[in-house]
Amino acid sequence: EVQLVESGGGLVKPGGSLRLSCEASGFSFSIYNMNWVRLTPGKGLEWVSSITSTSSDRFYADSVKGRFTISRDNAKSSLYLQMTSLRADDTAVYYCARDREAVVEVADSLGSWGQGTLVTVSS
Amino acid sequence: IVMTQSPATLSVSPGERATLSCRASQSVGTNLAWYQQKPGQAPRLLIHGAFIRATGIPARFSGSGSGTEFTLSISSLQSEDFAVYYCQQYNNWPPALTFGGGTKVEIK
Repeated sequence: EVQLVESGGGLVKPGGSLRLSCEASGFSFSIYNMNWVRLTPGKGLEWVSSITSTSSDRFYADSVKGRFTISRDNAKSSLYLQMTSLRADDTAVYYCARDREAVVEVADSLGSWGQGTLVTVSS
Repeated sequence: IVMTQSPATLSVSPGERATLSCRASQSVGTNLAWYQQKPGQAPRLLIHGAFIRATGIPARFSGSGSGTEFTLSISSLQSEDFAVYYCQQYNNWPPALTFGGGTKVEIK
């Protein structure tokens, strides 16, 4: 069974930093592209970032480019999101999500999701 | 690519049919997915490739459309189907996945 478990969320002041983690199990983590998606009360679901299976390419939404960094450790079956210069509008539940299939240089739907971790940016 | 869903809220009685719409600002072919999300839960993939049901999804869920106009239909709504539904396009590489704003299906 595919499992994705996020951690690392919490309350942080504007301008602060936070590192989210996602531990994967139940599948061959190293062959799948992985993603971060967030849910905000006002905007719904928003794609944040994607990373290819080998970490060769990383992609970001314009809203987080230059502030967030996605990474992964295939030996640990783990995905990360380093968030810096956090703003109030980054407040959201952050989900780790796996591409539906193990594809190369093709975008895909998101077949498996974690339960999410809440990030609150407030003074 | 901007995804627009309508209506924002749909009030339906149990047992009735629900029809949700999703429009893309430019063609995405059939690279369109639908997700269901209930409060406090993770999104669940329902449909990919515009009309292909994901594993384990009941047959009462069906997707149609291509290009810029898409529809998710839920025949004979069950109590567990009341939720928020999102469409999402995944047409481009490098990826810039975009979601619609969601349609809340509520009990009438």
